[in-house]
Amino acid sequence: AQSVTQLDSQVPVFEEAPVELRCNYSSSVSVYLFWYVQYPNQGLQLLLKYLSGSTLVESINGFEAEFNKSQTSFHLRKPSVHISDTAEYFCAVIRNYGGSQGNLIFGKGTKLSVKP
Amino acid sequence: EPEVTQTPSHQVTQMGQEVILRCVPISNHLYFYWYRQILGQKVEFLVSFYNNEISEKSEIFDDQFSVERPDGSNFTLKIRSTKLEDSAMYFCASEGGVGGNEQFFGPGTRLTVL
Repeated sequence: AQSVTQLDSQVPVFEEAPVELRCNYSSSVSVYLFWYVQYPNQGLQLLLKYLSGSTLVESINGFEAEFNKSQTSFHLRKPSVHISDTAEYFCAVIRNYGGSQGNLIFGKGTKLSVKP
Repeated sequence: EPEVTQTPSHQVTQMGQEVILRCVPISNHLYFYWYRQILGQKVEFLVSFYNNEISEKSEIFDDQFSVERPDGSNFTLKIRSTKLEDSAMYFCASEGGVGGNEQFFGPGTRLTVL
């Protein structure tokens, strides 16, 4: 079975400060890793994903995450946050079947609150 | 840009009543999912659906739940006799199946059982 742990339920930061949202996973099989973001009153949107290849993946809005197999982590980082980054962030995994389908297993989410 | 839509956005019902939550997945997608999130808890997988049948379901998805794709576009989740503990946000998702592993989520339906 797989599980995902997001160590921080809430992270308050000031605008332009760096941020790291932590995610650790547990799995006996290979997994794909994802970060989803949920803005207020909206659905979940894919922020970035790791399937294979380079362990550092980036999103179009400046977030990045690094897959660390030895530490079973996939922490999300941004060097300088904006007010508009205020949202809830979910880390998730899917078992790697070698194909594309499977159910996502989510962490509890981290609420990022960016203050001016 | 294509998106997954869900109706209603909020459903209030009495315990024991049947509810149907509706989703319109992205039109050329092949795989469909329902997830739920009880307030303050994790988003949990309920069921996946492919080729007009359930491909996987969680232990939450008991006999009170059913899914169908009645007309080739809508994807519905029915709860036959709602319980207080069914109160949650229900998310529908769809996936193209071509590759990329991205599940596209709808905005959710908040179900409140009184």
